[in-house]
Amino acid sequence: DSGVTQTPKHLITATGQRVTLRCSPRSGDLSVYWYQQSLDQGLQFLIQYYNGEERAKGNILERFSAQQFPDLHSELNLSSLELGDSALYFCASSVKGSMNTEAFFGQGTRLTVV
Amino acid sequence: GNSVTQMEGPVTLSEEAFLTINCTYTATGYPSLFWYVQYPGEGLQLLLKATKADDKGSNKGFEATYRKETTSFHLEKGSVQVSDSAVYFCALSGINNAGNMLTFGGGTRLMVKP
Repeated sequence: DSGVTQTPKHLITATGQRVTLRCSPRSGDLSVYWYQQSLDQGLQFLIQYYNGEERAKGNILERFSAQQFPDLHSELNLSSLELGDSALYFCASSVKGSMNTEAFFGQGTRLTVV
Repeated sequence: GNSVTQMEGPVTLSEEAFLTINCTYTATGYPSLFWYVQYPGEGLQLLLKATKADDKGSNKGFEATYRKETTSFHLEKGSVQVSDSAVYFCALSGINNAGNMLTFGGGTRLMVKP
């Protein structure tokens, strides 16, 4: 158990809909990272939050957004969903603002868009 | 930008065979290098890491040496077990356009047969 909790584990929704994925980082970790894992593109970094503020942005679509709340949990919002958004979405956390030491990953949320 | 290339799988071995999974990278500066493992249905777990040239990371019988001259970080294990069956990801952490986070290779699936 990494200590990072993601909910829900599975999500099935229709095209055009909006979903929210939730992540609770390990106790004491200030950084949260979101990654998308798909068969064709592998693991792609989406966005990072550190202590409530956006720190870095990767290959995140404009239809996607995220935030980190005062209790440090984070939510990833995906809207106007398309079939191609079907993927495994991982959240990771680390103590500091970088993944240079060790990052801890949750079990992921598997999103299926039908 | 930073990138990681690892050998495509699947790699199928018999129990007690020797394992090598090749990984090469492109990065500016002096990145840290990692191997993460993903068991079925789980998130990624850190397997080992090396933070500077000629460092050897090791864990659970796995080893990898940071070779700056060949920009490589190949994963090896002398005698694999069925329980080692998983997907292995090579990654680097270094400054890139998105800040200091992990850039992953495409992953290599290892299947070990009894």
